[in-house]
Amino acid sequence: NAGVTQTPKFQVLKTGQSMTLQCAQDMNHNSMYWYRQDPGMGLRLIYYSASEGTTDKGEVPNGYNVSRLNKREFSLRLESAAPSQTSVYFCASRRTSWRQYFGPGTRLTVL
Amino acid sequence: AQSVTQLGSHVSVSEGALVLLRCNYSSSVPPYLFWYVQYPNQGLQLLLKYTSAATLVKGINGFEAEFKKSETSFHLTKPSAHMSDAAEYFCAVSEESSGGSNYKLTFGKGTLLTVNP
Repeated sequence: NAGVTQTPKFQVLKTGQSMTLQCAQDMNHNSMYWYRQDPGMGLRLIYYSASEGTTDKGEVPNGYNVSRLNKREFSLRLESAAPSQTSVYFCASRRTSWRQYFGPGTRLTVL
Repeated sequence: AQSVTQLGSHVSVSEGALVLLRCNYSSSVPPYLFWYVQYPNQGLQLLLKYTSAATLVKGINGFEAEFKKSETSFHLTKPSAHMSDAAEYFCAVSEESSGGSNYKLTFGKGTLLTVNP
């Protein structure tokens, strides 16, 4: 099992550009999550999907959209990137118990 | 609403010294509590968890944490620091979200541990 995979690993965007961060898990997990990590802020929840076909806002959803494409995949889209969205983005998944499994992260820089 | 406070954004210890990283939480229901470690340029690795069983929890790499309900604390300790322990450590709390069975994690801001030779 690959676990939770994220693509790309690194990305540089210009202000106003759009992009989609991809996340996939092969553990048959029901719930999936997107977090952003900023220095001195810890990880903050952007959006989550409790199950296929459902998505909900987390703590910092503004400027982002998500799609739960199927049970395996959960994508995060930035429609018009801003410098404030420079961050490291982590995807996580969970089956039925408490434990979340994290991906390796995507480091995004918006110039 | 749940929240986590980590006291001290940076802790520096000598190799072989006691490591103590502090975490206090706020939760309206009995929480699940976690410590995660992040090595430079890597993802998060679960160190240990408290899920309402024993209050003293042992984790990987010689770390342990004690859940103290009266103090709403979940401090992380290790008797003897090793150079390889240098990393950022995050305390997190999880509650089952209302109306469903979805556990959302709330993280503290992190504590960077430096180990000096």
